[in-house]
Amino acid sequence: SQQGEEDPQALSIQEGENATMNCSYKTSINNLQWYRQNSGRGLVHLILIRSNEREKHSGRLRVTLDTSKKSSSLLITASRAADTASYFCAPNTGNQFYFGTGTSLTVIP
Amino acid sequence: GAVVSQHPSRVICKSGTSVKIECRSLDFQATTMFWYRQFPKQSLMLMATSNEGSKATYEQGVEKDKFLINHASLTLSTLTVTSAHPEDSSFYICSVRGNEKLFFGSGTQLSVL
Repeated sequence: SQQGEEDPQALSIQEGENATMNCSYKTSINNLQWYRQNSGRGLVHLILIRSNEREKHSGRLRVTLDTSKKSSSLLITASRAADTASYFCAPNTGNQFYFGTGTSLTVIP
Repeated sequence: GAVVSQHPSRVICKSGTSVKIECRSLDFQATTMFWYRQFPKQSLMLMATSNEGSKATYEQGVEKDKFLINHASLTLSTLTVTSAHPEDSSFYICSVRGNEKLFFGSGTQLSVL
């Protein structure tokens, strides 16, 4: 399977706390991407990390990649209520993108 | 990034009718578009890859005669759900690949009565 599997399935935290979600995959990749989906909407690209990178930052987002373990993590620091959404990882091996079931994040004000 | 417009955002139809969903790439010439389907609280399932000027490539288990895809220009792909039934009720999303990333439309919620 080329899709990523996110863990946990659901996460509920207080505003201001950090949120960490993980992604595992099975194949070799060119890069791995994280996307966000608000309820009833399309996905929005958050960040891309290449297979030769180990860590990447973008604002309050921090992504790590461990190709030996075929895993990635997404850390959202100082969470806000507006971060409430589902988050998906997409291991990219070619033209198609396959998504898992995502992590549903709820940030409580 | 690419701007993708998808219409309609919501459609309710009677069983047996056909429904057409449009996906437009407004600022990017897309030789390839992707169509996904999503059930509540489930993953996006890739249905097919739409190729401009040629036949779409369908994922295993997706009925090509049920879900007709036309990609007649570099900016427009359409998905037609033919003879829709209640089990076709779902959230359909299109996307365009640009600069290694996917840009998504806002989705179409289809409800078949």
